[in-house]
Amino acid sequence: DGGITQSPKYLFRKEGQNVTLSCEQNLNHDAMYWYRQDPGQGLRLIYYSQIVNDFQKGDIAEGYSVSREKKESFPLTVTSAQKNPTAFYLCASQPQFGNEQFFGPGTRLTVL
Amino acid sequence: QQQVKQSPQSLIVQKGGISIINCAYENTAFDYFPWYQQFPGKGPALLIAIRPDVSEKKEGRFTISFNKSAKQFSLHIMDSQPGDSATYFCAATYTGANSKLTFGKGITLSVRP
Repeated sequence: DGGITQSPKYLFRKEGQNVTLSCEQNLNHDAMYWYRQDPGQGLRLIYYSQIVNDFQKGDIAEGYSVSREKKESFPLTVTSAQKNPTAFYLCASQPQFGNEQFFGPGTRLTVL
Repeated sequence: QQQVKQSPQSLIVQKGGISIINCAYENTAFDYFPWYQQFPGKGPALLIAIRPDVSEKKEGRFTISFNKSAKQFSLHIMDSQPGDSATYFCAATYTGANSKLTFGKGITLSVRP
Protein backbone atom coordinates (compact mmCIF):
# COMPACT_ATOMS: atom_id res chain seq x y z
CA ASP A 1 0.00 0.00 0.00
CA GLY A 2 1.66 3.20 -1.18
CA GLY A 3 0.91 6.51 0.42
CA ILE A 4 1.60 9.06 3.10
CA THR A 5 1.13 8.38 6.78
CA GLN A 6 0.91 10.94 9.53
CA SER A 7 0.95 10.20 13.22
CA PRO A 8 -0.61 10.66 15.59
CA LYS A 9 -4.08 11.49 14.31
CA TYR A 10 -4.85 13.57 17.41
CA LEU A 11 -2.28 15.26 19.64
CA PHE A 12 -2.72 17.26 22.80
CA ARG A 13 -0.02 19.47 24.19
CA LYS A 14 0.37 21.74 27.14
CA GLU A 15 1.48 25.29 26.59
CA GLY A 16 5.26 25.66 26.63
CA GLN A 17 5.95 22.17 25.32
CA ASN A 18 7.53 21.24 22.00
CA VAL A 19 5.85 18.49 20.03
CA THR A 20 6.89 16.58 16.90
CA LEU A 21 4.50 15.45 14.18
CA SER A 22 5.49 12.51 12.05
CA CYS A 23 5.18 12.26 8.25
CA GLU A 24 6.33 9.21 6.28
CA GLN A 25 5.89 8.43 2.58
CA ASN A 26 6.67 5.33 0.54
CA LEU A 27 5.92 6.89 -2.84
CA ASN A 28 9.61 7.58 -3.55
CA HIS A 29 8.77 11.28 -3.94
CA ASP A 30 11.55 13.81 -3.72
CA ALA A 31 9.59 16.80 -2.41
CA MET A 32 7.68 16.98 0.86
CA TYR A 33 5.59 19.75 2.36
CA TRP A 34 3.97 20.77 5.64
CA TYR A 35 0.78 22.83 5.68
CA ARG A 36 -1.32 24.25 8.44
CA GLN A 37 -5.10 24.43 8.03
CA ASP A 38 -7.34 26.72 10.07
CA PRO A 39 -11.07 27.29 9.47
CA GLY A 40 -11.56 29.84 6.70
CA GLN A 41 -7.83 30.14 6.07
CA GLY A 42 -7.23 27.47 3.51
CA LEU A 43 -3.85 25.72 3.45
CA ARG A 44 -0.80 27.71 4.49
CA LEU A 45 2.70 26.42 3.76
CA ILE A 46 4.99 26.02 6.77
CA TYR A 47 8.11 24.32 5.36
CA TYR A 48 9.04 22.32 2.31
CA SER A 49 11.91 20.14 1.22
CA GLN A 50 12.81 19.19 -2.34
CA ILE A 51 15.78 16.99 -1.49
CA VAL A 52 17.26 15.17 1.47
CA ASN A 53 19.18 17.38 3.91
CA ASP A 54 17.69 20.56 2.44
CA PHE A 55 14.52 22.48 3.27
CA GLN A 56 13.07 25.96 2.85
CA LYS A 57 10.74 28.15 4.89
CA GLY A 58 7.22 28.61 3.67
CA ASP A 59 4.85 31.45 4.41
CA ILE A 60 4.38 30.81 8.14
CA ALA A 61 7.60 29.12 9.36
CA GLU A 62 7.97 31.05 12.63
CA GLY A 63 7.70 28.75 15.64
CA TYR A 64 8.22 25.59 13.59
CA SER A 65 11.25 23.48 12.67
CA VAL A 66 11.81 20.50 10.36
CA SER A 67 14.45 18.00 9.33
CA ARG A 68 14.91 15.84 6.23
CA GLU A 69 17.47 13.17 7.05
CA LYS A 70 15.75 10.50 4.96
CA LYS A 71 13.83 10.73 1.70
CA GLU A 72 10.86 8.98 3.27
CA SER A 73 10.53 11.14 6.38
CA PHE A 74 9.85 14.82 7.05
CA PRO A 75 8.99 15.43 10.72
CA LEU A 76 7.65 18.78 11.90
CA THR A 77 8.37 20.17 15.37
CA VAL A 78 5.95 22.72 16.78
CA THR A 79 7.95 24.69 19.30
CA SER A 80 6.81 26.69 22.29
CA ALA A 81 7.57 29.82 20.25
CA GLN A 82 4.51 29.16 18.06
CA LYS A 83 1.90 31.44 19.60
CA ASN A 84 -1.24 29.75 18.30
CA PRO A 85 -0.40 26.14 17.44
CA THR A 86 -3.88 24.61 17.65
CA ALA A 87 -4.68 23.59 14.07
CA PHE A 88 -4.95 20.73 11.58
CA TYR A 89 -1.53 19.88 10.13
CA LEU A 90 -1.17 18.29 6.71
CA CYS A 91 1.86 16.70 5.13
CA ALA A 92 2.16 16.26 1.37
CA SER A 93 4.63 14.84 -1.13
CA GLN A 94 5.26 15.44 -4.81
CA PRO A 95 7.31 13.54 -7.42
CA GLN A 96 10.33 15.19 -8.98
CA PHE A 97 8.68 15.42 -12.40
CA GLY A 98 5.07 16.33 -11.77
CA ASN A 99 2.90 18.94 -10.16
CA GLU A 100 0.45 16.76 -8.27
CA GLN A 101 0.77 16.82 -4.50
CA PHE A 102 -0.45 13.86 -2.48
CA PHE A 103 -1.67 14.56 1.04
CA GLY A 104 -1.57 12.54 4.22
CA PRO A 105 -4.59 12.14 6.53
CA GLY A 106 -3.51 14.99 8.82
CA THR A 107 -2.77 15.48 12.52
CA ARG A 108 -5.05 17.59 14.68
CA LEU A 109 -3.01 19.37 17.34
CA THR A 110 -4.72 20.93 20.32
CA VAL A 111 -2.88 23.02 22.87
CA LEU A 112 -4.46 22.90 26.30
CA GLN B 1 -1.38 39.24 -1.06
CA GLN B 2 -3.69 36.41 -1.97
CA GLN B 3 -2.74 35.10 -5.37
CA VAL B 4 -5.65 32.70 -5.80
CA LYS B 5 -9.16 33.82 -4.88
CA GLN B 6 -12.16 31.51 -4.69
CA SER B 7 -15.83 32.37 -4.86
CA PRO B 8 -18.39 31.91 -3.46
CA GLN B 9 -17.34 31.26 0.14
CA SER B 10 -20.01 28.61 0.58
CA LEU B 11 -22.53 26.92 -1.67
CA ILE B 12 -25.74 25.02 -1.13
CA VAL B 13 -27.15 23.03 -4.06
CA GLN B 14 -30.06 20.65 -4.41
CA LYS B 15 -29.40 17.05 -5.38
CA GLY B 16 -29.18 16.76 -9.14
CA GLY B 17 -28.23 20.41 -9.59
CA ILE B 18 -25.04 21.95 -10.95
CA SER B 19 -22.42 23.24 -8.51
CA ILE B 20 -20.12 25.95 -9.83
CA ILE B 21 -17.04 27.19 -7.99
CA ASN B 22 -14.85 29.92 -9.39
CA CYS B 23 -11.19 30.81 -8.95
CA ALA B 24 -9.17 33.81 -10.08
CA TYR B 25 -5.39 33.99 -10.11
CA GLU B 26 -2.88 36.80 -10.52
CA ASN B 27 0.45 35.26 -11.46
CA THR B 28 0.63 34.77 -15.24
CA ALA B 29 3.52 32.33 -14.76
CA PHE B 30 1.13 29.74 -13.30
CA ASP B 31 0.70 26.80 -15.67
CA TYR B 32 -0.98 24.09 -13.60
CA PHE B 33 -4.37 24.48 -11.96
CA PRO B 34 -5.69 21.64 -9.76
CA TRP B 35 -8.84 21.28 -7.72
CA TYR B 36 -8.72 19.38 -4.45
CA GLN B 37 -11.63 17.84 -2.54
CA GLN B 38 -11.49 17.49 1.23
CA PHE B 39 -13.90 15.67 3.54
CA PRO B 40 -14.06 16.63 7.23
CA GLY B 41 -11.09 15.32 9.20
CA LYS B 42 -9.32 14.01 6.08
CA GLY B 43 -6.50 15.21 3.88
CA PRO B 44 -7.29 16.86 0.52
CA ALA B 45 -7.33 14.64 -2.56
CA LEU B 46 -6.73 15.74 -6.13
CA LEU B 47 -10.01 15.85 -8.04
CA ILE B 48 -9.08 17.21 -11.45
CA ALA B 49 -6.42 19.52 -12.91
CA ILE B 50 -5.88 21.54 -16.08
CA ARG B 51 -3.07 23.25 -17.94
CA PRO B 52 -3.58 26.48 -19.90
CA ASP B 53 -3.20 24.85 -23.32
CA VAL B 54 -6.81 23.62 -23.09
CA SER B 55 -9.98 25.52 -22.24
CA GLU B 56 -11.92 22.64 -20.72
CA LYS B 57 -11.30 19.24 -19.16
CA LYS B 58 -13.96 16.75 -18.13
CA GLU B 59 -13.71 13.73 -15.85
CA GLY B 60 -17.03 12.09 -15.15
CA ARG B 61 -19.34 14.62 -13.49
CA PHE B 62 -16.49 17.08 -12.88
CA THR B 63 -15.42 19.69 -15.45
CA ILE B 64 -12.80 22.44 -15.27
CA SER B 65 -13.30 25.47 -17.51
CA PHE B 66 -10.25 27.67 -18.04
CA ASN B 67 -10.15 31.27 -19.30
CA LYS B 68 -6.54 32.34 -19.75
CA SER B 69 -7.26 35.95 -20.78
CA ALA B 70 -9.46 36.51 -17.72
CA LYS B 71 -7.09 34.55 -15.47
CA GLN B 72 -9.98 32.51 -14.16
CA PHE B 73 -10.90 28.86 -13.91
CA SER B 74 -13.94 27.14 -12.54
CA LEU B 75 -15.12 23.74 -11.35
CA HIS B 76 -18.51 22.46 -12.46
CA ILE B 77 -20.07 19.47 -10.71
CA MET B 78 -22.92 18.08 -12.76
CA ASP B 79 -25.77 16.09 -11.18
CA SER B 80 -24.52 17.03 -7.70
CA GLN B 81 -24.96 14.33 -5.05
CA PRO B 82 -25.02 14.49 -1.24
CA GLY B 83 -21.71 12.57 -1.30
CA ASP B 84 -20.15 15.58 -3.05
CA SER B 85 -20.63 17.64 0.11
CA ALA B 86 -17.08 18.63 1.04
CA THR B 87 -14.62 21.51 0.98
CA TYR B 88 -13.15 22.33 -2.41
CA PHE B 89 -9.83 24.08 -2.91
CA CYS B 90 -8.48 25.49 -6.12
CA ALA B 91 -4.74 25.91 -6.45
CA ALA B 92 -2.13 27.08 -8.92
CA THR B 93 1.56 26.66 -9.51
CA TYR B 94 4.20 26.96 -12.18
CA THR B 95 6.44 24.24 -13.51
CA GLY B 96 10.01 24.72 -12.37
CA ALA B 97 12.49 24.61 -9.52
CA ASN B 98 11.16 25.48 -6.08
CA SER B 99 7.60 25.72 -7.37
CA LYS B 100 4.91 25.55 -4.72
CA LEU B 101 1.15 25.21 -4.86
CA THR B 102 -0.75 28.38 -3.96
CA PHE B 103 -4.17 27.48 -2.58
CA GLY B 104 -7.41 29.38 -2.47
CA LYS B 105 -9.16 29.55 0.91
CA GLY B 106 -11.61 26.83 0.02
CA ILE B 107 -15.38 26.70 -0.22
CA THR B 108 -17.79 24.41 1.57
CA LEU B 109 -20.31 22.72 -0.69
CA SER B 110 -23.48 21.25 0.77
CA VAL B 111 -25.69 19.17 -1.49
CA ARG B 112 -29.18 18.79 -0.06
CA PRO B 113 -31.06 15.52 -0.71
